[in-house]
Amino acid sequence: AQSVTQPDIHITVSEGASLELRCNYSYGATPYLFWYVQSPGQGLQLLLKYFSGDTLVQGIKGFEAEFKRSQSSFNLRKPSVHWSDAAEYFCAVGFSGGYNKLIFGAGTRLAVHP
Amino acid sequence: NAGVMQNPRHLVRRRGQEARLRCSPMKGHSHVYWYRQLPEEGLKFMVYLQKENIIDESGMPKERFSAEFPKEGPSILRIQQVVRGDSAAYFCASSPLVQTNSNQPQHFGDGTRLSIL
Repeated sequence: AQSVTQPDIHITVSEGASLELRCNYSYGATPYLFWYVQSPGQGLQLLLKYFSGDTLVQGIKGFEAEFKRSQSSFNLRKPSVHWSDAAEYFCAVGFSGGYNKLIFGAGTRLAVHP
Repeated sequence: NAGVMQNPRHLVRRRGQEARLRCSPMKGHSHVYWYRQLPEEGLKFMVYLQKENIIDESGMPKERFSAEFPKEGPSILRIQQVVRGDSAAYFCASSPLVQTNSNQPQHFGDGTRLSIL
């Protein structure tokens, strides 16, 4: 069965530090991959997506993610975190065989220390 | 250009009542998805609809839950005889077409927070 794993439930970083959030998926073919961010009480905002092509994708707010087929991973990175980045981050997988029902990971909650 | 609109933002119901959650997709979008987010968890797919058709309801509980997307008007997620376990945030997403050959992801609304007393 398809699944998405985000191994880190909570991460705390200092403002200005680099960030990497991990995401691993289980799927037999090349998936569509997404990272969404959710602020408290809000909906989900798309940070970036991977459908095909260049495996390093750039998103909004200075985020990037790299698709590594050999590791079934799609980790999210940011070189310098801002206090406003504190939120919950969700990795999601869609499937190329048809419509895009998304499978979400459990999320990683990011706290940023000043 | 308005995004996905969900209402109400917050809904309180007593056990046994009915809850109706509404979702208006983005302009030009004809595909609607409903997801449920339990506290401290990720989103779980419930149902995928096109206008007047339920395409995939594999994530819907077998009883008390139903969804529709009529030719006119918003999509409705209906929960009958609510129980405490139905307390969650319910999110609607929309997309313009099947994404197999598209680079158009789903756009999410701000959700409806349902609380059952």
